[in-house]
Amino acid sequence: EAGVAQSPRYKIIEKRQSVAFWCNPISGHATLYWYQQILGQGPKLLIQFQNNGVVDDSQLPKDRFSAERLKGVDSTLKIQPAKLEDSAVYLCASSPGPVYEQYFGPGTRLTVT
Amino acid sequence: AQSVAQPEDQVNVAEGNPLTVKCTYSVSGNPYLFWYVQYPNRGLQFLLKYITGDNLVKGSYGFEAEFNKSQTSFHLKKPSALVSDSALYFCAVDSGAGSYQLTFGKGTKLSVIP
Repeated sequence: EAGVAQSPRYKIIEKRQSVAFWCNPISGHATLYWYQQILGQGPKLLIQFQNNGVVDDSQLPKDRFSAERLKGVDSTLKIQPAKLEDSAVYLCASSPGPVYEQYFGPGTRLTVT
Repeated sequence: AQSVAQPEDQVNVAEGNPLTVKCTYSVSGNPYLFWYVQYPNRGLQFLLKYITGDNLVKGSYGFEAEFNKSQTSFHLKKPSALVSDSALYFCAVDSGAGSYQLTFGKGTKLSVIP
């Protein structure tokens, strides 16, 4: 079974630029999560999708972050414009449903200079 | 609001010795508790979870965890550590009502010394 795929693996941008991350969950997984992991901290949930609907985005900084899940499969997380404090690893996870354990992708390491 | 504390930033243990990685939690209602492991440049991997039932939970790679409600703890254990167990370990708690919206601790780096 293929795992959760994420791209790119690494990205370096200047502040005020825009960036987008892509996630392809495990086939058949209805629930998709985006996390932000700042160095030295645990992952923090940004947004949770169930199929193509948003379940929770209470911790998503909506003035600069946006996310969508096209047709309930792939998902894209965008930051526009980026700030220095957005430097982190962005993790995507999926699960068969909201009451199963989550499977994580390798993450995208974002550096904002 | 729910929270998780991992009081040790780093744990060092000799190969072959038992290991313990500590976790305490705070949550209203019944907790759903998880342990994940993160190897360098890789995503988190699920180790085990406690939902209900037996307080001793067995998971992947020989790990187990003991749920203690009175001490609000969920410590990760392994009887005999391997060098390959060296990694970053995260404890997490469900936000409530079994939603599986996880709140993670800050992580504990485990180093197993040959």
